[in-house]
Amino acid sequence: ETGVTQTPRHLVMGMTNKKSLKCEQHLGHNAMYWYKQSAKKPLELMFVYSLEERVENNSVPSRFSPECPNSSHLFLHLHTLQPEDSALYLCASSQGRGGLKTQYFGPGTRLLVL
Amino acid sequence: KNEVEQSPQNLTAQEGEFITINCSYSVGISALHWLQQHPGGGIVSLFMLSSGKKKHGRLIATINIQEKHSSLHITASHPRDSAVYICAVKSETSGSRLTFGEGTQLTVNP
Repeated sequence: ETGVTQTPRHLVMGMTNKKSLKCEQHLGHNAMYWYKQSAKKPLELMFVYSLEERVENNSVPSRFSPECPNSSHLFLHLHTLQPEDSALYLCASSQGRGGLKTQYFGPGTRLLVL
Repeated sequence: KNEVEQSPQNLTAQEGEFITINCSYSVGISALHWLQQHPGGGIVSLFMLSSGKKKHGRLIATINIQEKHSSLHITASHPRDSAVYICAVKSETSGSRLTFGEGTQLTVNP
């Protein structure tokens, strides 16, 4: 148990559906991250939120929309996804976003887009 | 060429063997992380290094800043050590972003 929880753990959706992934951290951290892990590829950072403000967005398609209502919760809203978006989506948190920080990861949501 | 290279990509060992996984990087860094990913996707942070050596149980991580190289060692390996081990670096200029290697799949047979 790392103190970072994600729901749901598995999700199957069609290309016209709208769904949301949820992440919650119980560590008192003030920075949260969304990562995408596709098969046989390195982790890709999607979004970073620090103090509830989005500070990085690595050219992620607009069909992924993040929301960070407070420092403990992070959402990833999904709409009109493509089959190539099928992957493991990982949430992480850290205390602070600069310097020597360790990110703590949740268990991930395995997404399948049909 | 990736900024972070790991070797080997796959490693199979017998229980009890000493294991070494290597990570080389090409940028100046402020920190290097070793992560463990179990089947099902969950990732656990093992070590964060900026210099020298760290030890936790049967795991040892070392880093040589001048050579831009880090190693993860597992002593007396066990089947429960089977996982993907991932090296990630935080560059001096990237703020909070981590750049990840492709991972090393370790299988320890009983």
